[in-house]
Amino acid sequence: AQTVTQSQPEMSVQEAETVTLSCTYDTSENNYYLFWYKQPPSRQMILVIRQEAYKQQNATENRFSVNFQKAAKSFSLKISDSQLGDTAMYFCAFMKRGGGSNYKLTFGKGTLLTVNP
Amino acid sequence: NAGVTQTPKFQVLKTGQSMTLQCAQDMNHEYMSWYRQDPGMGLRLIHYSVGAGITDQGEVPNGYNVSRSTTEDFPLRLLSAAPSQTSVYFCASRLSRTGYGYTFGSGTRLTVV
Repeated sequence: AQTVTQSQPEMSVQEAETVTLSCTYDTSENNYYLFWYKQPPSRQMILVIRQEAYKQQNATENRFSVNFQKAAKSFSLKISDSQLGDTAMYFCAFMKRGGGSNYKLTFGKGTLLTVNP
Repeated sequence: NAGVTQTPKFQVLKTGQSMTLQCAQDMNHEYMSWYRQDPGMGLRLIHYSVGAGITDQGEVPNGYNVSRSTTEDFPLRLLSAAPSQTSVYFCASRLSRTGYGYTFGSGTRLTVV
């Protein structure tokens, strides 16, 4: 079974600064996807960024980028130029690619990020 | 497109009552799932479906039933509500053939008193 660990329950950052959220995972699979979801106070789950494990290039989406280290099973999220609207709970998630159990998204427990003005 | 629609958004139940949380998606997604979110626990899988007529249990299925008679709908039934079922419930769907993550509904906050 896969496990996802987010070791930082809470973090804060000043507006316009850069922050990195950590995520590690444990799996015996070689083909999988990793995701970061954002959950603002509205409760909606919003996909921020995804990474395909077979791609070495780190994914980027505007101000959001990841540092994917497959051998270390690490998947951190970097938010550049933080904005007040980035205040949210952030979840790291794992999903197997293909075969059985590819229906399941396994989540970490989340990191609450607060962006201060 | 509406995406994934969940109803109701809020609900208060008394212990022992039953109810159904509704979930519908209009994206022709094969996979649908129900998660519950509790403080400090992340999201945990309750039940899932890989297509109409096919459902199975996730990590925390006790006290819940599901059915999938159509591709679009995936209701979650609480058989006899207990305070331990107080939680936020999310329905989600995705295409089976892609690596894109699930699309989530807006959630239902359920309180059992």
